[in-house]
Amino acid sequence: QQQVKQSPQSLIVQKGGISIINCAYENTAFDYFPWYQQFPGKGPALLIAIRPDVSEKKEGRFTISFNKSAKQFSLHIMDSQPGDSATYFCAALSFGNEKLTFGTGTRLTIIP
Amino acid sequence: DTAVSQTPKYLVTQMGNDKSIKCEQNLGHDTMYWYKQDSKKFLKIMFSYNNKELIINETVPNRFSPKSPDKAHLNLHINSLELGDSAVYFCASSQGPWAGRPYEQYFGPGTRLTVT
Repeated sequence: QQQVKQSPQSLIVQKGGISIINCAYENTAFDYFPWYQQFPGKGPALLIAIRPDVSEKKEGRFTISFNKSAKQFSLHIMDSQPGDSATYFCAALSFGNEKLTFGTGTRLTIIP
Repeated sequence: DTAVSQTPKYLVTQMGNDKSIKCEQNLGHDTMYWYKQDSKKFLKIMFSYNNKELIINETVPNRFSPKSPDKAHLNLHINSLELGDSAVYFCASSQGPWAGRPYEQYFGPGTRLTVT
């Protein structure tokens, strides 16, 4: 049972465009929603995170939009660059057990 | 200055063998984790330890045994390796949400295990 569903599986965006990745969760006990970025051969690294009492968080070109009633959240990458090409994972966590539940990942490719 | 380190980076072994992966963090974190990433890139938690105490033990075959000699180290021992154990194993650490700063799990570079 996939508790965090992520789409699309892969995404190709032109340089300068907006990349959008969507996630949906089921467990209302989750209270922290991070996005991780993973380059080939490397471990995942935290990109940006949000708590459910906030509807949007922006850090540079990266924005998380959070819809608590719909149990959905998304990552927007503005002015996408070739260096953003990586696999992106949404995740959810309950601070009670610090157990990160990951989405299935999105392979993002930015083309010139 | 590596925050979370793992050894070895690559491990190739035959079915039936026993192997260990070591993990160390120099961040002073209290909690450490093992994650498995399969061939489809799916990441799933296996275990977590807080101050050497087992906190999370997901549905993992008992051939996998974590061991935490101190809070800076969490090793993973695997007995009787099977083909399906081939994956990338990531160690991670965190300080906990009560630490007074933004919460983050820091991941190591991974160990690619190939069982032949």
